[in-house]
This record gives sequence, structure tokens and C-alpha cells, in this order.
Amino acid sequence: QSALTQPASVSGSPGQSITISCTGTSSDVGGYNYVSWYQQHPGKAPKLMIYDVSNRPSGVSNRFSGSKSGNTASLTISGLQAEDEADYFCNSYISSSTLYVFGTGTKVTVL
Amino acid sequence: EVQLVESGGGLVQPGGSLRLSCAASGFTFSSYAMNWVRQAPEKGLEWVSRISGSGDTTYHAESVKGRFTISRDNPKNTLYLQMNSLRAEDTAVYYCAREGTHYGDFRPYFDYWGQGSLVTVSS
Repeated sequence: QSALTQPASVSGSPGQSITISCTGTSSDVGGYNYVSWYQQHPGKAPKLMIYDVSNRPSGVSNRFSGSKSGNTASLTISGLQAEDEADYFCNSYISSSTLYVFGTGTKVTVL
Repeated sequence: EVQLVESGGGLVQPGGSLRLSCAASGFTFSSYAMNWVRQAPEKGLEWVSRISGSGDTTYHAESVKGRFTISRDNPKNTLYLQMNSLRAEDTAVYYCAREGTHYGDFRPYFDYWGQGSLVTVSS
């Protein structure tokens, strides 16, 4: 099972909106509404930001939103802030002996 | 407050063994599926293993199948990862992560993570 494809880096200025894509196949992203997104600051554990494609856990800013079209999921960060600078990883459930696959990761830079 | 605290990492020679532990608190441990996820230095996340709340069902990534074994001791609120026949490519920070799946209600995402335990495989 190959990793889901994400852009290596995305950047934006404070206040702008950015979108991170996560491309898989019909066997993972396209086959289930079980895409989640994680934020990871340097040296820290990942943090759940979005689950089931578009749901936000309590405590996560509503500036973060998720969507999916076909085999590609997306994470949008609106009103970009300095604290959003981090690595972001998508994840999809897959119904096989390998239950989960992560994306390659995207480094978000706030200019 | 949910807390997950890993321990047991360290330096081990290729071919050696190591057992990681993850002490859980702040929730009913036995009612949640648990996972191990690893991250090689400067690399992305890789799912490793999953165990059901009761411990009767386990899954492992192809890269560790036959070498790693996930288990749990519910009365002790502890998750384990037994790692045998270790290779250089197993060098990573290993995170335990709680899955949202609760009492069989399937929620395939990782809602809480430990701080990680570094495993280095080198001679």
C-alpha cells in the first residue's frame, strides 16, 4: 500500500487561505469517508484536526475545514496564523490487512 | 484528562529485540482500540499495529508482520509492542495512539497520542 500523495510544501501570508491536497485511490480516499488530518509541530506528537473527511474535534479552530472529491481529500486553513506553521498529514482507513495509510506530509510555512 | 505515556525505547543492535509500553490514563482503556504509529527521523508517519479493545483482534503493517506483536493488559491499562528481529529501517519515534473506535462503534481516526519513544537500531 503506497502512501497518499501530498504536496511537500505550501505557504501563505497571515490572513490568507491555503489548501493542502491528499490524493489516493478508490481503494482508500475514494472508497471511504474515513479521511483524517493531523497537525504536527517540530518535536511534538501529532494532533487530530479533522476526522471523517470534514468533522472537527472539539477545541479545534473553525479555521480548519476538510472536504473530499473523488480520490482527493483537502484540508483548508483560512485566516492563516503564525501558529499554523507545522507539518500536516492526511490519513485514510483502508479495508485490508493494512488498516491505515498516511499521506507523505506537507510543510506549511507562514510567510 | 487522557494521557498516554510511552516507555522502553533505546539503542538496540540489528537483530535484537525491544518491548515498548504505553501507560494509559484518564479513560476506560478496555473500551478503546489502540494503535502504534512510527515516524523515522525527518520522515512521515507510518501506521504499525492495531489492537481491539478486548485484545482479541490485531493487525500489523506488512513491513513489521511476523516481527512485531501488539498486545494489551487491560487491568494494568497498558499497551505493548514487542519488536523482534529489528532492522536499521525500524529506527523511529514510536507513538501509541488511541483510536476513536469505542465499544465497537467504528471511528477510524487517532484522537489522542503519546509523546513518543525513540527506538534506534544500530551496531
